[in-house]
Amino acid sequence: GENVEQHPSTLSVQEGDSAVIKCTYSDSASNYFPWYKQELGKGPQLIIDIRSNVGEKKDQRIAVTLNKTAKHFSLHITETQPEDSAVYFCAARANSGYALNFGKGTSLLVTP
Amino acid sequence: DTEVTQTPKHLVMGMTNKKSLKCEQHMGHRAMYWYKQKAKKPPELMFVYSYEKLSINESVPSRFSPECPNSSLLNLHLHALQPEDSALYLCASSQVVPEQGNSPLHFGNGTRLTVT
Repeated sequence: GENVEQHPSTLSVQEGDSAVIKCTYSDSASNYFPWYKQELGKGPQLIIDIRSNVGEKKDQRIAVTLNKTAKHFSLHITETQPEDSAVYFCAARANSGYALNFGKGTSLLVTP
Repeated sequence: DTEVTQTPKHLVMGMTNKKSLKCEQHMGHRAMYWYKQKAKKPPELMFVYSYEKLSINESVPSRFSPECPNSSLLNLHLHALQPEDSALYLCASSQVVPEQGNSPLHFGNGTRLTVT
């Protein structure tokens, strides 16, 4: 089955700096890659997703890049703010599979 | 605010109790899910309902019993739970059922369950 590795497990940055979280996947059939942000006491919320026919996608301060050959995808957050502090999960899924396979999560702390 | 509503927010139950968790969505999504999340871990899939029919059961113990009364509602009935079942139980929905393709999962804020 699909195996999603996520790094780093914790990340601390200063406000205004950029943060990068990286994930690798094992199933070459995976074609859908969402990123979720989970704040304390809340459920995961989708922040951006990318499909395998696209190499990069941006939404304001957030961008995701996908390298299908290397089977890795990354989340980039620019101009970080304290409210970006949360746990971020990457995930991958193939049309042929039924489960969304999550990485283990990255705890991001943005200090003022 | 999330568009998937879960009740109750918190639940404490003894090992002999019977309780139910409830989930509601009005987005017209055709798939609904139950996930279990332990502290500092990613969500783990338990059940999937596609078009109100149970399509996936991830080998979940029978003390957890899901029910989908209609396309907007999802319940999880709990009976004779163990302390290790204490976790955050998340409901989610998606527009497209997993058998037919990919679409974003919309999660509720979960029910924090403690089994004493």
